[in-house]
Order: sequence, then C-alpha cells, then structure tokens
Amino acid sequence: QKEVEQNSGPLSVPEGAIASLNCTYSDRGSQSFFWYRQYSGKSPELIMFIYSNGDKEDGRFTAQLNKASQYVSLLIRDSQPSDSATYLCAVNQAGTALIFGKGTTLSVSS
Amino acid sequence: NAGVTQTPKFRILKIGQSMTLQCAQDMNHNYMYWYRQDPGMGLKLIYYSVGAGITDKGEVPNGYNVSRSTTEDFPLRLELAAPSQTSVYFCASSSRLPNTGELFFGEGSRLTVL
Repeated sequence: QKEVEQNSGPLSVPEGAIASLNCTYSDRGSQSFFWYRQYSGKSPELIMFIYSNGDKEDGRFTAQLNKASQYVSLLIRDSQPSDSATYLCAVNQAGTALIFGKGTTLSVSS
Repeated sequence: NAGVTQTPKFRILKIGQSMTLQCAQDMNHNYMYWYRQDPGMGLKLIYYSVGAGITDKGEVPNGYNVSRSTTEDFPLRLELAAPSQTSVYFCASSSRLPNTGELFFGEGSRLTVL
C-alpha cells in the first residue's frame, strides 16, 4: 500500500512567523508532488507542485523536495491568519491519480 | 464557467438504500476522479477514469461503482449504503495526467447513512 504521511497537527504559529509543513511518502517511484490547501467546509485548491529535488518558490510559499529521503515540505513565510487551513500533501501514483496524506491543520494567530 | 459540478450537495440515506452521486465537468478534461474524505482525514481515492469508457479502482473501491459513458459525466453509484460510507465525496477532473496537471475539484457532496 503506497502511503503519504503527514503530521495532523494542529500546527500553531504567530502571525508573521514561518510555518513548516512536512510530508513523507513510501513509493520511491513517485515523480511529482503537490500541496493543496483546504479551508474548512471547502474543496481543496492547489498551492504548488514540485518535480525536481531542491526548492521551488512562489511568493510566500516554498516547496522543498528530497527524493533520496522521500520527503517533501512546504514553508510559508510571513504567515497570515488567512493561511489558517488544512494543508494536504499529494503524490502521483502510477501517473494516473493522486494519493493524498491526511493533512496538517495550520492555525495562525494574530 | 461552471467547472466541476456535483449533485446533490447533501443527502441522508437509510442503511441498505442505493443512490448515485452525479459529477459533470465542462472543461473537456479526460481525467476524472472520485475521492471521499472522512472527518479529520485526507482524501481517499475511490475510482478514476482516464477517458470515456475507461475506469479503474483506487484505494477504497468496495461498495461503489462508476461508469464513464461521456467525457463530461462521471457518476458514482452507492449500492446497499452502510454507515461506513458516511463521508464527504469530492469529484475532480484534470486536463492532463495528474503528475503534470492540476486537479479541479467540485464543491463536494455530503452523505450521511443512518
């Protein structure tokens, strides 16, 4: 069973701090990795994707991938109360579907 | 632009009843998916389709059936509903393989089985 693991949290950070969200995956053949954000009662929306080892930055968000360690993370700089949500890590499975982790709940206090 | 439309948004079923969750997309996407999300949990893949006439099982297919007769529609059938099927169901679509393209989600269908 291919798995995607995340710490469910909650992760609490003060406004303006850096939030660090982590994800590990079991399938070494996975090639693409995604971070989705889900507000309570809403559907998931894509934040970022990453394919290559290293860092990928988009505004306040940075995705980091280490395929050797089977580890992917999301950093949120200058966290805002509006970033409070559940963050879902997703990994492609055989190129045809995404497998999601349980999600990490982030709470940003003002 | 409607995107991915799911109906119904809410439904209460009695144990043993059957129903179909409808999903339609107007983006001409080849790839469509059904996920379920239990409270406090992530998304579990039920079934997916890479094109009309082609479907395949995901992580948790037992108790469900799907069909894909057109590019636009991907209904999910629940036979003999059980309390374990109480969940929020999300339909999603993608224009390309999901490892290269974004998944677009519907608003979800909240199902309660009593």
